[in-house]
Amino acid sequence: RKEVEQDPGPFNVPEGATVAFNCTYSNSASQSFFWYRQDCRKEPKLLMSVYSSGNEDGRFTAQLNRASQYISLLIRDSKLSDSATYLCAVALRSASKIIFGSGTRLSIRP
Amino acid sequence: GAVVSQHPSWVICKSGTSVKIECRSLDFQATTMFWYRQFPKQSLMLMATSNEGSKATYEQGVEKDKFLINHASLTLSTLTVTSAHPEDSSFYICSAREAAQPQHFGDGTRLSIL
Repeated sequence: RKEVEQDPGPFNVPEGATVAFNCTYSNSASQSFFWYRQDCRKEPKLLMSVYSSGNEDGRFTAQLNRASQYISLLIRDSKLSDSATYLCAVALRSASKIIFGSGTRLSIRP
Repeated sequence: GAVVSQHPSWVICKSGTSVKIECRSLDFQATTMFWYRQFPKQSLMLMATSNEGSKATYEQGVEKDKFLINHASLTLSTLTVTSAHPEDSSFYICSAREAAQPQHFGDGTRLSIL
């Protein structure tokens, strides 16, 4: 079983739609959780860290469910510029190596 | 913000050549650096973790004699792909971190072996 699993997509949604991604992780001892965004042929960029209480950054909301070992990302009012691959990432501790999921491709159409 | 520079950004070379990729932290001391590899439409796979002044820790399945990592200073780590073959063609990305701070990624090196 992979350490971090994501639905590869692609998700193809119209501009303005709300879209949600889920990610599951296998190691229950994991402590740090992240969502990254990766554009084609570019390095990943940190979108947001995920905290136990859930957190929001503008149109983006991240949730963590430790009991079920999954992380979610919700994007509201999607923009064309949101088209990218979204990578879920997990670390045992804040200073540990980060393990990435395979990414979910999102395409926003006009 | 923290910047990590990776060089070269793109390299094409013949099979059997050894290729060195540099990763530099420009405005912080990178006590730990990570090297990842990403094949098309796949995730970033961690290859190794290196701490300044010590030997790199390789992930399972990564050949340490083929992928030589040197982290001789707090601002520079190098990855050398020795005797590269077409199957080594990939996107190689480094990241760097100071102490327990978040990782910062370089912009990657696209390696094509003919």
